[in-house]
Amino acid sequence: SQELEQSPQSLIVQEGKNLTINCTSSKTLYGLYWYKQKYGEGLIFLMMLQKGGEEKSHEKITAKLDEKKQQSSLHITASQPSHAGIYLCGAHGDNAGNMLTFGGGTRLMVKP
Amino acid sequence: DGGITQSPKYLFRKEGQNVTLSCEQNLNHDAMYWYRQDPGQGLRLIYYSQIVNDFQKGDIAEGYSVSREKKESFPLTVTSAQKNPTAFYLCASSIRGWGGQPRSYTFGSGTRLTVV
Repeated sequence: SQELEQSPQSLIVQEGKNLTINCTSSKTLYGLYWYKQKYGEGLIFLMMLQKGGEEKSHEKITAKLDEKKQQSSLHITASQPSHAGIYLCGAHGDNAGNMLTFGGGTRLMVKP
Repeated sequence: DGGITQSPKYLFRKEGQNVTLSCEQNLNHDAMYWYRQDPGQGLRLIYYSQIVNDFQKGDIAEGYSVSREKKESFPLTVTSAQKNPTAFYLCASSIRGWGGQPRSYTFGSGTRLTVV
C-alpha cells in the first residue's frame, strides 16, 4: 500500500507565525488530500491536489503538489489558535483511487 | 442534510466480548471505509467496500469483520480476536471513482472504543 511520511510529527508555533507541513511518498501520488482533525473528532476536508505543480489556497492555508507528484506541502500564513489540531495527508494507493491511505499526522499547537 | 452518522460516540467493551460499531450514510455514496486511529498516529485502513455485498480487507483487518447488506450501512464488528481494540474508529464514504477520477470523501465523527 502507499506509504506517506509526514513531517514534522508535532509543531508548536507562536500566534502570527508562518509554518509548513510536509507529506512525502516514494510512489506517485494520484490524488493528495489534506484534512484537519480536532482531537476526538472526525476529519474536516481542506484541499485536494491532483496535478503536478498544482497549488490551492483557502483563507490562510496553501497546499502544493510538486511536479513529480511525490511531495506535498501545507503552508499556514499568520497562524491563529483556531489552526490548532492534527493535520493529515491522504493519498490514493493507485490510479483507480480504490482506497485512501494516510500519513502519520502532524499535531499543531498555536500559542496565543 | 446529507452526511455520515457513527454511533455510539463512546463504547466500552469487556475483554472477550464482540461489539458492533454503526456507520450510516445518506449521501448515496457507493464506497465505504473503516479506519482505526491510535493516539498520536494517523489513520489505518481496516476494511473497505466499493459496492453492496462486497468488501475487501485493508491493512489491519485481523480481529475485525464487516458486512455491506445495504448501500447506506457498513457496520464494523470488533471481535474478541482483536487483541488491542482500544482506539478511535472512523467511518468514511466516497463516490466510486473510475480510472483516476477525483473522489469526494466524507468522514463520520468517530467512535471511541475502550476495553475495560
